[in-house]
Amino acid sequence: EADIYQTPRYLVIGTGKKITLECSQTMGHDKMYWYQQDPGMELHLIHYSYGVNSTEKGDLSSESTVSRIRTEHFPLTLESARPSHTSQYLCASSEWGSGNEQFFGPGTRLTVL
Amino acid sequence: AQTVTQSQPEMSVQEAETVTLSCTYDTSENNYYLFWYKQPPSRQMILVIRQEAYKQQNATENRFSVNFQKAAKSFSLKISDSQLGDTAMYFCAFIEGGAQKLVFGQGTRLTINP
Repeated sequence: EADIYQTPRYLVIGTGKKITLECSQTMGHDKMYWYQQDPGMELHLIHYSYGVNSTEKGDLSSESTVSRIRTEHFPLTLESARPSHTSQYLCASSEWGSGNEQFFGPGTRLTVL
Repeated sequence: AQTVTQSQPEMSVQEAETVTLSCTYDTSENNYYLFWYKQPPSRQMILVIRQEAYKQQNATENRFSVNFQKAAKSFSLKISDSQLGDTAMYFCAFIEGGAQKLVFGQGTRLTINP
């Protein structure tokens, strides 16, 4: 079944650790996105990609980095996690073209102690 | 810069009632798209309804319909015969034609009471 997956769903780590949040989609979508969302609050775009080897920074400044080596895979990495990184991270994808629906993953809830 | 404003942080209605969520947006473009997304508690965000700005007819999806007022830059969502499963955060979102980034509103937390 075509879908978008995120792992882990929940992560609790200590300050200074390096972490990678995984996102994969099986829909063949060119565009992928990472959003940061505090509980019950609006979404902020932190990274997006038009396709393989394409990555762009979003509207919200983030210390994370992303890569897009394969169409289906768009991992997000934090080199040194801090308590300020505690949040929910949502991955999404969409077809190429204007005004297409974005499909969202279930999210990763990250807590940095 | 494009902005999307949802002026109702929280709403609460009884099951089977009709509820309307408000959304206004700001743009100088003529070609754009509007969306309502639903985020149930601890569950995946999903699309509720999509509207293309060049279409005058209001979009409908079963119990969900919109009132799209282009001149007023207003895009409200009406939920008829509300159900307990409609309890969720609802986000209004906007994207200009040719742009790559969705702009989201602040969200409205809707609670349907039994």
